[in-house]
Amino acid sequence: EAQVTQNPRYLITVTGKKLTVTCSQNMNHEYMSWYRQDPGLGLRQIYYSMNVEVTDKGDVPEGYKVSRKEKRNFPLILESPSPNQTSLYFCASSSRQGGKQYFGPGTRLTVT
Amino acid sequence: AQSVTQPDIHITVSEGASLELRCNYSYGATPYLFWYVQSPGQGLQLLLKYFSGDTLVQGIKGFEAEFKRSQSSFNLRKPSVHWSDAAEYFCAVGLNRDDKIIFGKGTRLHILP
Repeated sequence: EAQVTQNPRYLITVTGKKLTVTCSQNMNHEYMSWYRQDPGLGLRQIYYSMNVEVTDKGDVPEGYKVSRKEKRNFPLILESPSPNQTSLYFCASSSRQGGKQYFGPGTRLTVT
Repeated sequence: AQSVTQPDIHITVSEGASLELRCNYSYGATPYLFWYVQSPGQGLQLLLKYFSGDTLVQGIKGFEAEFKRSQSSFNLRKPSVHWSDAAEYFCAVGLNRDDKIIFGKGTRLHILP
């Protein structure tokens, strides 16, 4: 079954404690992306990757890092989380030609 | 700068009534256009997309959307809504050049019994 998985689904952490949210897809997609969703702001792109070792900033990259060492994985790293990063995070992947994005189930992060 | 506007934050319709959700975009060329739905507690699901060709696009769950270049719009429609359509709907624009995608802020649809 084609899918995008994210872990963890829920996370409560404290300010400054480094964390990683994993994202994995089984469709051999080249393009992957991270979004955050906040009430009244919709979805905003954090980072995206067009292929292995190719990443670029989205609209709200501050405070986040990503890496793309393998095609299937695209982890999101928060080196020093802050309360304003409390949000719902979605990972997505797509083939470049198709354009259809497959979304993960979301990770709800709370930073206290 | 490229942008996507969904003018309605909330819309309430009665079950069985018709629905139209508005989406306007600002972009220099013809973009890729998408509508996504997010049910409560769920992730995002693609309803339909427009790349080129016929400007009336059919999607899943009985939804359709019409691309109107002159109005820079891509409104989503359904002739008769069901209670299960209550969700948040996002319009999105794909930018050919670098595969970046921009989402609108969403429209929350409420269904009256």
